[in-house]
Amino acid sequence: KQEVTQIPAALSVPEGENLVLNCSFTDSAIYNLQWFRQDPGKGLTSLLLIQSSQREQTSGRLNASLDKSSGRSTLYIAASQPGDSATYLCAVYGWGKLQFGAGTQVVVTP
Amino acid sequence: DADVTQTPRNRITKTGKRIMLECSQTKGHDRMYWYRQDPGLGLQLIYYSFDVKDINKGEISDGYSVSRQAQAKFSLSLESAIPNQTALYFCATSDSQNSGVGTDTQYFGPGTRLTVL
Repeated sequence: KQEVTQIPAALSVPEGENLVLNCSFTDSAIYNLQWFRQDPGKGLTSLLLIQSSQREQTSGRLNASLDKSSGRSTLYIAASQPGDSATYLCAVYGWGKLQFGAGTQVVVTP
Repeated sequence: DADVTQTPRNRITKTGKRIMLECSQTKGHDRMYWYRQDPGLGLQLIYYSFDVKDINKGEISDGYSVSRQAQAKFSLSLESAIPNQTALYFCATSDSQNSGVGTDTQYFGPGTRLTVL
């Protein structure tokens, strides 16, 4: 059974610092991995989708890497801003199922 | 206007009551999903539908039923609500030629917070 873990559960950083969010999964036979942002009252927003054949994806200040062999993905957010405060979830797709991690709650302080 | 809307946004009900949560989308997507989220846990898939005539159970479908009334509408029902169904419920849509849940980007509604007393 695929298990997706995100550590830490919560993180607080000062504005301007780079954010590093971790996601680990137990079964490397995945089709893709997605990172989502969750804001209270607004649902989830897809940030990046990395196919299993890819090593990374970039969008603006966001960069996500994928290492299937070690079962890890990392989301980097450069030069964090207070508007980056949210919960970030990763989800892996494999064996016909999309499995979510519990998320990392991020607070960026001015 | 939001592309994926959910009604109601908040609902408090009593054990044994029948509840319907509704989802509508204007994105023109053929695929729709229902998830629940419990505090400290990730989202879990309840049901999904790849088109109007297609309904599939997710990993936690017991106690729930769904109806795909049209391409744009997907409703989730709790036939007899129980307290452990208290959770945040999300509807999502996607549009892809790929097979399987999770192969394509999903777009989420704002969620319905359901409390069963």
